Amino acid sequence: SQQGEEDPQALSIQEGENATMNCSYKTSINNLQWYRQNSGRGLVHLILIRSNEREKHSGRLRVTLDTSKKSSSLLITASRAADTASYFCATDLIQGAQKLVFGQGTRLTINP
Amino acid sequence: EPEVTQTPSHQVTQMGQEVILRCVPISNHLYFYWYRQILGQKVEFLVSFYNNEISEKSEIFDDQFSVERPDGSNFTLKIRSTKLEDSAMYFCASIRGAYTGELFFGEGSRLTVL
Repeated sequence: SQQGEEDPQALSIQEGENATMNCSYKTSINNLQWYRQNSGRGLVHLILIRSNEREKHSGRLRVTLDTSKKSSSLLITASRAADTASYFCATDLIQGAQKLVFGQGTRLTINP
Repeated sequence: EPEVTQTPSHQVTQMGQEVILRCVPISNHLYFYWYRQILGQKVEFLVSFYNNEISEKSEIFDDQFSVERPDGSNFTLKIRSTKLEDSAMYFCASIRGAYTGELFFGEGSRLTVL
């Protein structure tokens, strides 16, 4: 079974709109992170939220975490064409630490 | 800004050949990782390495795979006898200390097995 599942798998919106991506996971975590990947490139860390936090902001990014529902959301406000990329959530499991487990990713396309 | 560097960026090899992918982690980092991403799919954990030994490995990381840190700088992934299904993007990552934050990823090495 998958630890991280993003929803939707693909999202296409107009520039200036907000983009919301969701992530669900199955086991207890220490923290949850979101990463961005431009096509064919490496992953870039965006934001980390700890299991005792409920919401975190960084610039145009807002992340929420609901540990009771084992879910997280990433909101990108006022989207730009340059935000076009794949976005992955990754969890650091309490058991078997020292690694991140990535979800399937959401492919976000921002149309100018 | 320090970064993780990987070489080669792209390697094409024949099935059954040995491949070595190289990584130079960030200099003061202590934990090192290899991940794999088959085209269009999720990023999969292969192995973690700390204090000159493997700390955890996935089911993917079978006897055909090995890692080492030969000189305190480079961190290598060796695939002994490549298969077609080994074709993927391989990412090296590192983190400074015990797991509390973000992984720093390299740009990846694309392996194509023919």
